[in-house]
Amino acid sequence: GAGVSQSPRYKVAKRGQDVALRCDPISGHVSLFWYQQALGQGPEFLTYFQNEAQLDKSGLPSDRFFAERPEGSVSTLKIQRTQQEDSAVYLCASSRGGEASYEQYFGPGTRLTVT
Amino acid sequence: AQSVTQPDIHITVSEGASLELRCNYSYGATPYLFWYVQSPGQGLQLLLKYFSGDTLVQGIKGFEAEFKRSQSSFNLRKPSVHWSDAAEYFCAVGAPEYGNKLVFGAGTILRVKS
Repeated sequence: GAGVSQSPRYKVAKRGQDVALRCDPISGHVSLFWYQQALGQGPEFLTYFQNEAQLDKSGLPSDRFFAERPEGSVSTLKIQRTQQEDSAVYLCASSRGGEASYEQYFGPGTRLTVT
Repeated sequence: AQSVTQPDIHITVSEGASLELRCNYSYGATPYLFWYVQSPGQGLQLLLKYFSGDTLVQGIKGFEAEFKRSQSSFNLRKPSVHWSDAAEYFCAVGAPEYGNKLVFGAGTILRVKS
């Protein structure tokens, strides 16, 4: 079946611009996660949704980062007034609920470059 | 705080040789353990997972991993490496007391020489 998809795959933004990154999870997966992967590092957690509820946003680095999942399916990660340090690959993952929420399936990522 | 350590940044092995990638974690209880593989420009693919039970788990592509509670380790192994295994490998850990997120190691880049 279809996996997690993300768009765009690549995004170049000038410093100060706003960007929106989209994630389409696997159909039926109630849990959705966003991670940030800087060059040469492992992914780092940003935020977690269970259905439409954002249950954990402890990893969001600043109030310029905002995520939503209004209907419990597609999610958007928005970054306002982008800075150079926001350059990274943004990965979306989805999973089933309960204990299975830890078994996360990842999309291909969006590579954001801020110039 | 919880942490995941992959001591080897790079490993080079010859095609057909055996492979072991190390992973150590620092958690209070027995966590859920995972290995992912990432090819250049690609997302993360789940290789295998450990939740409970048999401490030796089998995954896809001929990989296996062994959970050793006494050493807080979850090392990934493969008896015979193929050139297509060249990629970056990440160990990841989750535990209910820290929410639903996964914490990842910094990764190990595997190079395969022919």
